[in-house]
Amino acid sequence: SQTIHQWPATLVQPVGSPLSLECTVEGTSNPNLYWYRQAAGRGLQLLFYSVGIGQISSEVPQNLSASRPQDRQFILSSKKLLLSDSGFYLCAWKGTNEQYFGPGTRLTVT
Amino acid sequence: RKEVEQDPGPFNVPEGATVAFNCTYSNSASQSFFWYRQDCRKEPKLLMSVYSSGNEDGRFTAQLNRASQYISLLIRDSKLSDSATYLCVVTHPGGATNKLIFGTGTLLAVQP
Repeated sequence: SQTIHQWPATLVQPVGSPLSLECTVEGTSNPNLYWYRQAAGRGLQLLFYSVGIGQISSEVPQNLSASRPQDRQFILSSKKLLLSDSGFYLCAWKGTNEQYFGPGTRLTVT
Repeated sequence: RKEVEQDPGPFNVPEGATVAFNCTYSNSASQSFFWYRQDCRKEPKLLMSVYSSGNEDGRFTAQLNRASQYISLLIRDSKLSDSATYLCVVTHPGGATNKLIFGTGTLLAVQP
């Protein structure tokens, strides 16, 4: 069966520091992968999606970037965090039409 | 106008009650529809897909009205464990990327 992992689970980072969040998927090959952010009290916002290795599409302009160095690995990065980057970051993979989410990373920028 | 709109609630209901959530979507070309459940500080989890003919899974019944662009979820015999936020989700039409558009969710609190 398919499983999706994210780490770290929680992170507290100062403004201006770099960020790297990792997501890995097991039990499926060449999945479509997605990064979402959920700000406190708000809905899920799609940040990036990838249909294959090295293929990244960005949904919203921001100071975040994404990379897919391997088939089952999706990384979210930032060179300098802003206070507004705080939130719950979720990675997901696509099933038939539905998506399945990892456990998420809760990021607090101080 | 938001692409997917839900009543944010909270819906406070006693155990055993029947509760209904509604959702409207703006893009008539949307093709797939889902209800997700999100517990506090956890990831969303797929509750059920929604089909045009309506579908049922135990105590949960989902309905879709394409003409009205309206989706509903009915929960019968509510349990304490049903307390969560329920997210209405539609696929964004076009392309092979299967973008999902999420509503902001309806909070359900089942009281003992």
